[in-house]
Amino acid sequence: DTAVSQTPKYLVTQMGNDKSIKCEQNLGHDTMYWYKQDSKKFLKIMFSYNNKELIINETVPNRFSPKSPDKAHLNLHINSLELGDSAVYFCASSRNTGTSGTGEQYFGPGTRLTVT
Amino acid sequence: LAKTTQPISMDSYEGQEVNITCSHNNIATNDYITWYQQFPSQGPRFIIQGYKTKVTNEVASLFIPADRKSSTLSLPRVSLSDTAVYYCLVREGSSNTGKLIFGQGTTLQVKP
Repeated sequence: DTAVSQTPKYLVTQMGNDKSIKCEQNLGHDTMYWYKQDSKKFLKIMFSYNNKELIINETVPNRFSPKSPDKAHLNLHINSLELGDSAVYFCASSRNTGTSGTGEQYFGPGTRLTVT
Repeated sequence: LAKTTQPISMDSYEGQEVNITCSHNNIATNDYITWYQQFPSQGPRFIIQGYKTKVTNEVASLFIPADRKSSTLSLPRVSLSDTAVYYCLVREGSSNTGKLIFGQGTTLQVKP
């Protein structure tokens, strides 16, 4: 009964490859996010989806493309992987609190991506 | 320059109260201040959230001054298991379209 799950947990690949990371939440939340955590533990938001619509698109390279087939899933596809893409990627979800701001986010366990 | 900052690290001993302050001088008007805890190889976990004044739950308190340009997470009587990285999360700029920004994280080391 995992709330937010990600697959795979580890991903090792070579430069130039295309890969996807999947995320699913069973909390019934309206909003889902992708974060990148680098080797210095800095957490940065990449994307946010609310009811299948992109509402935040941070200045990430367009090699990264989020895809949300339904409200419970937000997948991250990465084209032409580069060494600098190596990081831990976290998916999260939250209830849409409307004008009250960002609600409590539930994070997945993370996907450690290593590009060689 | 808008920035969300926290101390990089703190040390404490078991049983002490720990206060971690986050400065967020460009916080959006309408959004909450949220704190997360992260253990190694895990995703961040929600601790507490507040808008103004003081909020308390079973694990922590959150103190927010009237100008909301900072917030202080207070952990009462820490134990070894509280050793973790603590992040504040705020929205900067506009309430609806502003960026969600994490502080750089405070590594708390609790010693016996």
